[in-house]
Amino acid sequence: EAGVTQFPSHSVIEKGQTVTLRCDPISGHDNLYWYRRVMGKEIKFLLHFVKESKQDESGMPNNRFLAERTGGTYSTLKVQPAELEDSGVYFCASSQAGTGGEQYFGPGTRLTVT
Amino acid sequence: GEDVEQSLFLSVREGDSSVINCTYTDSSSTYLYWYKQEPGAGLQLLTYIFSNMDMKQDQRLTVLLNKKDKHLSLRIADTQTGDSAIYFCAERTYNTDKLIFGTGTRLQVFP
Repeated sequence: EAGVTQFPSHSVIEKGQTVTLRCDPISGHDNLYWYRRVMGKEIKFLLHFVKESKQDESGMPNNRFLAERTGGTYSTLKVQPAELEDSGVYFCASSQAGTGGEQYFGPGTRLTVT
Repeated sequence: GEDVEQSLFLSVREGDSSVINCTYTDSSSTYLYWYKQEPGAGLQLLTYIFSNMDMKQDQRLTVLLNKKDKHLSLRIADTQTGDSAIYFCAERTYNTDKLIFGTGTRLQVFP
């Protein structure tokens, strides 16, 4: 069974540009999460989807970030316009239906904003 | 508030035991986790412990929880070079899926 996949693995963009990150969860997993690790700091929760609905988006830093999960399958996280402080590693995770299941993480997308 | 702290680096000799420490502040934490991240890979769940437990052992891994002091530790016995990675402590409360992570501890194992 394929694990959580993320694309691209690495993105380098200039300040002010737009970037879209994609996450494909494990097939059949209703829960999808986005986390972010800024250089050397803790991994921070961004948001949680249950199927196509946003269950918790308390960690989204500001309105430059837009997450979608149309159809309840893959998810995208768009940053527009990107700022220098958005640089970091963005992780996606998924888990089975219900609360408290093990979250399986993808390898992350390293975003560098110059 | 929610805060999880870890030391940033740990260096041990191959064959020795490693102890990675973590402190947290949320007294309502119900589950505490240890994740491992190898270079270029995602986070892998190593083990977890419920807050009503003091200790959990799984092969070379021993987790100790001091709920009074809000202190969690991960002991790796007979540390191998393949154990070199970043280890993250995380907590979760009962009614949410949101994981609160620490900064991660980079474990370096030398021969």
